[in-house]
Amino acid sequence: DAGITQSPRHKVTETGTPVTLRCHQTENHRYMYWYRQDPGHGLRLIHYSYGVKDTDKGEVSDGYSVSRSKTEDFLLTLESATSSQTSVYFCAIKDRPRSNTEAFFGQGTRLTVV
Amino acid sequence: ILNVEQSPQSLHVQEGDSTNFTCSFPSSNFYALHWYRWETAKSPEALFVMTLNGDEKKKGRISATLNTKEGYSYLYIKGSQPEDSATYLCASLNYGGATNKLIFGTGTLLAVQP
Repeated sequence: DAGITQSPRHKVTETGTPVTLRCHQTENHRYMYWYRQDPGHGLRLIHYSYGVKDTDKGEVSDGYSVSRSKTEDFLLTLESATSSQTSVYFCAIKDRPRSNTEAFFGQGTRLTVV
Repeated sequence: ILNVEQSPQSLHVQEGDSTNFTCSFPSSNFYALHWYRWETAKSPEALFVMTLNGDEKKKGRISATLNTKEGYSYLYIKGSQPEDSATYLCASLNYGGATNKLIFGTGTLLAVQP
């Protein structure tokens, strides 16, 4: 199994509070992605990183920010959580973009905003 | 925004039936097409990564084809078994300057009844 872990695995938080999710990898992969999973939508890209301190927006980035200060960690922050951000969040890693290798996924973080 | 579409949204078949799903993706600036199998309460796992027009890949009873000129891929399952029940996701990796986004479709949910 690829060395990728997400923390926490489950979290319940109140509307308006900040929340940070962590993705940690031990594979030294350059690319890291944050997705959210919602019924009927599959996986939607929130933000991704293509190197330390290099990040870009995905399809549904509003209300989210990210940081990557070192290769192994990619943090997703909800500045002020809303009920619409209740979802399961998946992190994925990939070695380099222009290759025929797959992405590897973390176990997911279930976030509930009440 | 890249648009990756999958059909059908869901499929119910009997054990032993053969089935296929479709994934359409942007053909401009295309690099790779990924297929993943996603079981409930688990993380997505890669089936195939294809890059070249006309590519065909096979793993056991599952195979996939790729047409990059018209922007579609087919996934085939021969003789479906109950353990094939899962959501099948495709994802397109397209060039974006120095960065590359891995965008997923909404998935096809396959249910195989004994």
